[in-house]
Amino acid sequence: GQQLNQSPQSMFIQEGEDVSMNCTSSSIFNTWLWYKQDPGEGPVLLIALYKAGELTSNGRLTAQFGITRKDSFLNISASIPSDVGIYFCAGFLSSNTGKLIFGQGTTLQVKP
Amino acid sequence: DAGITQSPRHKVTETGTPVTLRCHQTENHRYMYWYRQDPGHGLRLIHYSYGVKDTDKGEVSDGYSVSRSKTEDFLLTLESATSSQTSVYFCAIRKPGTETQYFGPGTRLLVL
Repeated sequence: GQQLNQSPQSMFIQEGEDVSMNCTSSSIFNTWLWYKQDPGEGPVLLIALYKAGELTSNGRLTAQFGITRKDSFLNISASIPSDVGIYFCAGFLSSNTGKLIFGQGTTLQVKP
Repeated sequence: DAGITQSPRHKVTETGTPVTLRCHQTENHRYMYWYRQDPGHGLRLIHYSYGVKDTDKGEVSDGYSVSRSKTEDFLLTLESATSSQTSVYFCAIRKPGTETQYFGPGTRLLVL
């Protein structure tokens, strides 16, 4: 089936550093979503992107919908300890019927 | 808060026993989804529903059945639980007019 390649798989950074992660696919998507999951909780939506080239911010988070429609990026600026968690990208295929495809997640750890 | 609850939140059962997980939403959204989450696999779609009595299979539907007799409830049943079905199960709803999905808190299932 379709796959999203999310990288990096994990990151261990110092508090205050900026973070970048991305998702790529060989398929074209018409929606990209970014979620964060804390331990023992369900994924929480951070940012939704609907147009190629779209750049959207949510506080210290910024995400972009790649112009090829095959990739998306999430940046976190000035990381803080509560940014710790697993970040997932998810895409909705142009030819799909309501099913999201998920990346495997990026685990972020922040050292105070 | 998307108004989604899941029950039970934790369950331990034995191989061969039937198990039913419940997802309840308070906002009458048409689309509901069941996912499982396993290390190394991310979130994978089991079944989804696009209305009362309207359901379809996802990518990992073998061994699972679903029912939706009213808009607010979506049930996932493991007819005869196996150890490979040990997982965390998430329910999600889809916001109307978008591909955005919101997740419940999850059910942790252990099959011994």
